[in-house]
Amino acid sequence: GAGVSQSPSNKVTEKGKDVELRCDPISGHTALYWYRQSLGQGLEFLIYFQGNSAPDKSGLPSDRFSAERTGGSVSTLTIQRTQQEDSAVYLCASSSRGRSYNEQFFGPGTRLTVL
Amino acid sequence: AQTVTQSQPEMSVQEAETVTLSCTYDTSENNYYLFWYKQPPSRQMILVIRQEAYKQQNATENRFSVNFQKAAKSFSLKISDSQLGDTAMYFCALGNNNDMRFGAGTRLTVKP
Repeated sequence: GAGVSQSPSNKVTEKGKDVELRCDPISGHTALYWYRQSLGQGLEFLIYFQGNSAPDKSGLPSDRFSAERTGGSVSTLTIQRTQQEDSAVYLCASSSRGRSYNEQFFGPGTRLTVL
Repeated sequence: AQTVTQSQPEMSVQEAETVTLSCTYDTSENNYYLFWYKQPPSRQMILVIRQEAYKQQNATENRFSVNFQKAAKSFSLKISDSQLGDTAMYFCALGNNNDMRFGAGTRLTVKP
């Protein structure tokens, strides 16, 4: 079966532009996570969706960042008015349930470069 | 707050030898799960091994095993008979309820 997919794989944008990053989780997975990985850094939690519950947005670094998940499946992470410090790899993961003892399956990530 | 610390930013090992990656954590919870994830240069993160905190027996997956010391809050990963394909970033993670925390990672290079 298909794993978690993300698009685009690479995105180069100019400072001040908006970008949208897409994540297609594994079919049937109710939990979806977004992380940011800066060069040489660990994973920084951004946002978590579980079923129809309100998302946990506690990791979003500023109000320029937002995410939605339509129909409990595909998710889009939007960064408005991008800044150079937004340059990073954005990883999406899904799991079959929202409890953190379940394995998270990761996508290949989107490398965002803000010039 | 839960924290995960990996104190070794980079490590190297000769092919066929054994290497141990360190991880310490802090949590006030009694029930939690610990994970080691591998991220090869291709960026695809995959689960290597998982340990339930309530189990005393150390988890093992083929050449990968852990040394789980609950009292010391330590969770090290041992890779035996290292292979070139083991070259990757390794992340230790702590999961409890709906919170998952990752360490900063250890870059492991296996040398031929």
